[in-house]
Amino acid sequence: EAGVAQSPRYKIIEKRQSVAFWCNPISGHATLYWYQQILGQGPKLLIQFQNNGVVDDSQLPKDRFSAERLKGVDSTLKIQPAKLEDSAVYLCASSLFRSTDTQYFGPGTRLTVL
Amino acid sequence: DAKTTQPTSMDCAEGRAANLPCNHSTISGNEYVYWYRQIHSQGPQYIIHGLKNNETNEMASLIITEDRKSSTLILPHATLRDTAVYYCIVRVGHGNTPLVFGKGTRLSVIA
Repeated sequence: EAGVAQSPRYKIIEKRQSVAFWCNPISGHATLYWYQQILGQGPKLLIQFQNNGVVDDSQLPKDRFSAERLKGVDSTLKIQPAKLEDSAVYLCASSLFRSTDTQYFGPGTRLTVL
Repeated sequence: DAKTTQPTSMDCAEGRAANLPCNHSTISGNEYVYWYRQIHSQGPQYIIHGLKNNETNEMASLIITEDRKSSTLILPHATLRDTAVYYCIVRVGHGNTPLVFGKGTRLSVIA
């Protein structure tokens, strides 16, 4: 079974530039999550999708971050414009619908904002 | 905020059992205890979860105290590849809720 795919793996940009990350979840997984992990901390949820609808985006900085999951499969997360404090690893995870189903994580995208 | 407390770091000799403690004194009756680990430069990996009974799988064992206020993850024969940050997470058992991570325990397995 293929795992969660993410691209790119690494990205370096200047502040105020825009950037986009892509995630392809495990086939059949209805729920998709984006997490932000700052160095030395645990991952923090940014947004959760159920199929193509948003379940929770309360911690997404909506003035600069946006995310979509068209057709309920893959997803993109965008930052525009980027700030220095956005430097982090962006992790995508997916799971089946049930509450105790395991969340499977992708390898993450490491973003460096200069 | 995370509802768990874990030691910042631990060492374990290769081949010995690694016992990672976790305190979750405010756990509710409908909340499960989950353990994930994150090896350097990888995404978190699921290890095991439980409600109140002890659980065992091919990776580890989970021991939950009778009052459910603490638990211990046991890696029976630690190898160098088990060096990682281990996260103990409390999560409700209904609804597809996200994981709330703390800072975890950095386990170093030493040859």
